[in-house]
Amino acid sequence: DADVTQTPRNRITKTGKRIMLECSQTKGHDRMYWYRQDPGLGLRLIYYSFDVKDINKGEISDGYSVSRQAQAKFSLSLESAIPNQTALYFCATSDTAFFGQGTRLTVV
Amino acid sequence: SQQGEEDPQALSIQEGENATMNCSYKTSINNLQWYRQNSGRGLVHLILIRSNEREKHSGRLRVTLDTSKKSSSLLITASRAADTASYFCATNDYKLSFGAGTTVTVRA
Repeated sequence: DADVTQTPRNRITKTGKRIMLECSQTKGHDRMYWYRQDPGLGLRLIYYSFDVKDINKGEISDGYSVSRQAQAKFSLSLESAIPNQTALYFCATSDTAFFGQGTRLTVV
Repeated sequence: SQQGEEDPQALSIQEGENATMNCSYKTSINNLQWYRQNSGRGLVHLILIRSNEREKHSGRLRVTLDTSKKSSSLLITASRAADTASYFCATNDYKLSFGAGTTVTVRA
């Protein structure tokens, strides 16, 4: 099993829909991160968490929310998806980041 | 804006040549890390250099850090076609922030 698992791997959703991306880890790390990747922009930090129920905004948190109810799980929600949130989303754990395989999200 | 910025954005070299890429950052850091990404997959951690270190080696990789100039470089020696990937620097100033990356193409 992968150390960091993201679900779903691919998702197409309609504008205005709510969608949740899940991340779970088996490493026992306290720190977890959500990033989005767009061509030419690299990875931009959306939210991060240093412990259960600890939530911190990254550089592009608008339009997103997160939940950290357990050490192993960190979920990212788009309350009302819009087309410019189409991107590749990565979850990572620890300060020498272990990355999930990514979720390719398309908002139409 | 992002903490780290890589230069050049893209690099094309012949197999066997060395590849050098640079990273500049803005704030004080605890450490700086380099990652590699193959075609939209998750990033893989390559090497970490602490703020009190000036140079570090790992196999064919050599990383330097100049905290007075807020810059780092990654050198890949004797490049191989399999080194074709995008390379990212990440700064750890309490959270992990990535730059936009350098795309390296190694021609056989």
